[in-house]
Amino acid sequence: DAKTTQPPSMDCAEGRAANLPCNHSTISGNEYVYWYRQIHSQGPQYIIHGLKNNETNEMASLIITEDRKSSTLILPHATLRDTAVYYCIVRAQTGANNLFFGTGTRLTVIP
Amino acid sequence: DAGITQSPRHKVTETGTPVTLRCHQTENHRYMYWYRQDPGHGLRLIHYSYGVKDTDKGEVSDGYSVSRSKTEDFLLTLESATSSQTSVYFCAIRVTSGGSNEQFFGPGTRLTVL
Repeated sequence: DAKTTQPPSMDCAEGRAANLPCNHSTISGNEYVYWYRQIHSQGPQYIIHGLKNNETNEMASLIITEDRKSSTLILPHATLRDTAVYYCIVRAQTGANNLFFGTGTRLTVIP
Repeated sequence: DAGITQSPRHKVTETGTPVTLRCHQTENHRYMYWYRQDPGHGLRLIHYSYGVKDTDKGEVSDGYSVSRSKTEDFLLTLESATSSQTSVYFCAIRVTSGGSNEQFFGPGTRLTVL
């Protein structure tokens, strides 16, 4: 599975959009971009995933660049409950689908 | 929570003792996973299962064994616990729907080996 690079930490003001970047320059054509988050002491939570088109769901939007070498997770109106570690993961849909977690980005939403 | 429970939720044990952690699911998903999480490492895969009696190793499998005798239960065993196995252990299941595969995680088990 391709490796990802994320900034270790970010701050965001409550109510503003949080934009979390991820670089995945070695991504393969059959690999998807997944985002998970982990709120303190809880299990990771699935947020969103995509292959090459931008995606949106009730939690977030995912913007993938045309060359697929990077992506951005957008939380449109961050709340204090969005404070968490966010993980960007790339993997294929076939096989065991193991998730390779890096150290993620610690997002702190500030009142 | 996709019907995943882990037991026990907390355990303190001594070096050299055997420990078994249980992951239970209620939705008959084929794939189940065991991860450990340590400061500075994110989550790392220990073992996974792709069906009853079908298991395979992950990246940090040394010192651990697993068993899956029925679909709903995936057991992780530390035959002889060591202090380096002090960690938080998460179980996950894979849910396949509409062409996508997401993993859903249990609440975790905090294990301390003294």
